[in-house]
Amino acid sequence: RKEVEQDPGPFNVPEGATVAFNCTYSNSASQSFFWYRQDCRKEPKLLMSVYSSGNEDGRFTAQLNRASQYISLLIRDSKLSDSATYLCVVIGNSGNTPLVFGKGTRLSVIA
Amino acid sequence: DVKVTQSSRYLVKRTGEKVFLECVQDMDHENMFWYRQDPGLGLRLIYFSYDVKMKEKGDIPEGYSVSREKKERFSLILESASTNQTSMYLCASSLYGYEQYFGPGTRLTVT
Repeated sequence: RKEVEQDPGPFNVPEGATVAFNCTYSNSASQSFFWYRQDCRKEPKLLMSVYSSGNEDGRFTAQLNRASQYISLLIRDSKLSDSATYLCVVIGNSGNTPLVFGKGTRLSVIA
Repeated sequence: DVKVTQSSRYLVKRTGEKVFLECVQDMDHENMFWYRQDPGLGLRLIYFSYDVKMKEKGDIPEGYSVSREKKERFSLILESASTNQTSMYLCASSLYGYEQYFGPGTRLTVT
């Protein structure tokens, strides 16, 4: 089983739609989780951290399910500018363990 | 704002050449990383460093080496470039291994 797995998409959604991505991870000892966003031909940038209690930032909500070992990202009221690749990221059981990146889920928001 | 800069955005080299990719960060981060990103394969960790003169192999170190003589600078070296090293190379830095800040990337073509 791969360490971090994501559906590559693409997810093509109309403006205003709600879209959700899931990401599964294999290391049950993983401690920290993040979503990064990567625009076309740009570098990845941190979108948000994922806490055990969930995390909401405007239209974006991230959730963690430790029992099933997955994290999710929900985007409400999608905008054209949300079009990007969303990378799921997991850190192992040590603060200095390198991040493990998923391959990303591509989202296209269509007018 | 954290700034991570990479020496070149685009680079074309011939097979067998020795190639140096430079990365500089201005935030006094201890941790620095080199990745390559290829379509369908996602981000793959080549080498990382948690301190000056220290280096650790990532998932795909073969054909590469690194140098970290100063805290702010992390160099990736392709000892003898090959066509299968054509890729996007991304450098990142972080504090305590959490949020990583990426440079803009170097698109390397080996002919």
